[in-house]
Amino acid sequence: AQKITQTQPGMFVQEKEAVTLDCTYDTSDPSYGLFWYKQPSSGEMIFLIYQGSYDQQNATEGRYSLNFQKARKSANLVISASQLGDSAMYFCAMRETSGTYKYIFGTGTRLKVLA
Amino acid sequence: NAGVTQTPKFQVLKTGQSMTLQCAQDMNHEYMSWYRQDPGMGLRLIHYSVGAGITDQGEVPNGYNVSRSTTEDFPLRLLSAAPSQTSVYFCASSLPGRVRETQYFGPGTRLLVL
Repeated sequence: AQKITQTQPGMFVQEKEAVTLDCTYDTSDPSYGLFWYKQPSSGEMIFLIYQGSYDQQNATEGRYSLNFQKARKSANLVISASQLGDSAMYFCAMRETSGTYKYIFGTGTRLKVLA
Repeated sequence: NAGVTQTPKFQVLKTGQSMTLQCAQDMNHEYMSWYRQDPGMGLRLIHYSVGAGITDQGEVPNGYNVSRSTTEDFPLRLLSAAPSQTSVYFCASSLPGRVRETQYFGPGTRLLVL
């Protein structure tokens, strides 16, 4: 069965420093997609980055990069040069692509950027 | 494009009442889904649809019904509201299988069941 685990309920980072948010997953499907979303205090869900299981390179989107280690089943989000506006909840998610097309989400990590 | 729209934004119900949460998207997305978000639980999938006329259950489907008569609309029906259904509900849509797959979310509906 699909499973997403985010083991860090909360994280602090100093402004302008980099931070890594952990995500591990479990699936028996060889084809899947991994996602990260940001949820600020206003409540909306904002897509950040996508990694396909067959992608050879780690995904990057501006200051966001996904450290994809397939053998370890980990998909950590790296935010470089943190900004105060990065303070939010961050969710890791997965969707199997050869089965039921269900998305599942982790429980999230609350990131606080300190000035 | 309006993206994904949800109505209402906020609703208060009494136990036993029924209601429909509306969701619409104008991006011609095949895939639509409903989630509920409770504190400390992340987002949990209620129902989803891979196209008009096709729906399936997610992780927490009990107490909810859906239908998908058109590509654009995916309403969620609460049959007999219970306090346990107090939550924030998100609708989302996407085009699965694309190179840079993105799931777009609506703004959410806050539901309080008394």
